Amino acid sequence: EAGVAQSPRYKIIEKRQSVAFWCNPISGHATLYWYQQILGQGPKLLIQFQNNGVVDDSQLPKDRFSAERLKGVDSTLKIQPAKLEDSAVYLCASSRPRTDTQYFGPGTRLTVL
Amino acid sequence: SQQGEEDPQALSIQEGENATMNCSYKTSINNLQWYRQNSGRGLVHLILIRSNEREKHSGRLRVTLDTSKKSSSLLITASRAADTASYFCATDASQGAQKLVFGQGTRLTINP
Repeated sequence: EAGVAQSPRYKIIEKRQSVAFWCNPISGHATLYWYQQILGQGPKLLIQFQNNGVVDDSQLPKDRFSAERLKGVDSTLKIQPAKLEDSAVYLCASSRPRTDTQYFGPGTRLTVL
Repeated sequence: SQQGEEDPQALSIQEGENATMNCSYKTSINNLQWYRQNSGRGLVHLILIRSNEREKHSGRLRVTLDTSKKSSSLLITASRAADTASYFCATDASQGAQKLVFGQGTRLTINP
């Protein structure tokens, strides 16, 4: 089966600009996650969807970050406006309902200058 | 905040040797998982151990869990150059839908 797809793979922007990331989960995976991984650290969960509903967004900086999962399949994560500290790899993951294994995409490396 | 703390932060060994990484956590958990991340890539699930299990094996991997000490270890036997990667433990302590909290990782280098 095809893995989790993410695009773009790399993005460089200036601070205060906006940026959007796209994720296509594995077919049939109802749960979708967005993580932020700062260099040298482990991934931190930003938001979790079950189908097109938000399960957990407690660590999402809602003043600048937003995410949606229309029709319960693809998802986009947006940052507006970006700050220097947003430089990180943004990982998307998906899982089947009622299972514990998450499958990760290759990530989008964001550099904010 | 990150629940898991991994030790050591970096480990360098010779090919063929065994590598042991440790993870400690703070709260009661449902399960603990280990993931591998090669440079510039996404994470790959390696193994999951539930709170009522003490040891699991998968190929050259052996994971132990001690819930009384809130710690886990990952042993990779007969290491290979391809094992060079960062290894993360992740704990699930959620009441409802799974929520993983990752540690900071151990950077493993296998020298030929």
